[in-house]
Amino acid sequence: QVQLVESGGGVVQPGRSLRLSCAASGFTFSNYGFHWVRQAPGKGLEWVAYISYDGSDEFYEDSVKGRFTISRDSSKNTLYLQMNSLRAEDTAVYYCARKYLGYNMYYFDYWGQGTLVTVSS
Amino acid sequence: EIVLTQSPATLSLSPGERATLSCRASQSVSSSLAWYQQKPGQPPRLLIYEASNRATDIPARFSGSGSGTDFSLTISSLEPEDFAVYYCQQRGNWPLTFGGGTTVEIK
Repeated sequence: QVQLVESGGGVVQPGRSLRLSCAASGFTFSNYGFHWVRQAPGKGLEWVAYISYDGSDEFYEDSVKGRFTISRDSSKNTLYLQMNSLRAEDTAVYYCARKYLGYNMYYFDYWGQGTLVTVSS
Repeated sequence: EIVLTQSPATLSLSPGERATLSCRASQSVSSSLAWYQQKPGQPPRLLIYEASNRATDIPARFSGSGSGTDFSLTISSLEPEDFAVYYCQQRGNWPLTFGGGTTVEIK
């Protein structure tokens, strides 16, 4: 079955960096694009970043552009989110989510359980 | 950025009743809209994509309709497991955006 398992969250000081990972299994990783979506405590969902199936396309939400980098390693079936210059407002549960298969079908058909990132001094 | 406005914020209903949730886009997204269900402590689950297509294993009591700027999600007869938060999401333009959510609570 499809599984996405995030890791790498934790407490970090403002201005520092953190790298999240998402290990995928149960499907052909290299056929799919992936997203990162976050949810601040008690708040709604916010899309963060997207990477295409082959890594050739990346898109970012404006507030993370230049600070966050999405990447993938198909040899390890793993998705990453490198987060630099972290701010208090980046505090959230970060979910990795698989892109729905289909041209321009930028929906999220499977989600991981999420990893909590807390930015605090 | 396309803003999605969901209404009502909270819907108080009893099991067996019909629920109708609304999502309005700040500009046309054609049929490029999805609905998700989220329960406490869980990730969201895709219910509906392209405005009216049920995702895999989603019960027939869930249906979606609409196009352009006005969309709705209908749950024909609420089951106990349907009490949750529901989000709409558009793929018509980058950045992808979500609505603020509608909580369906037990009356």
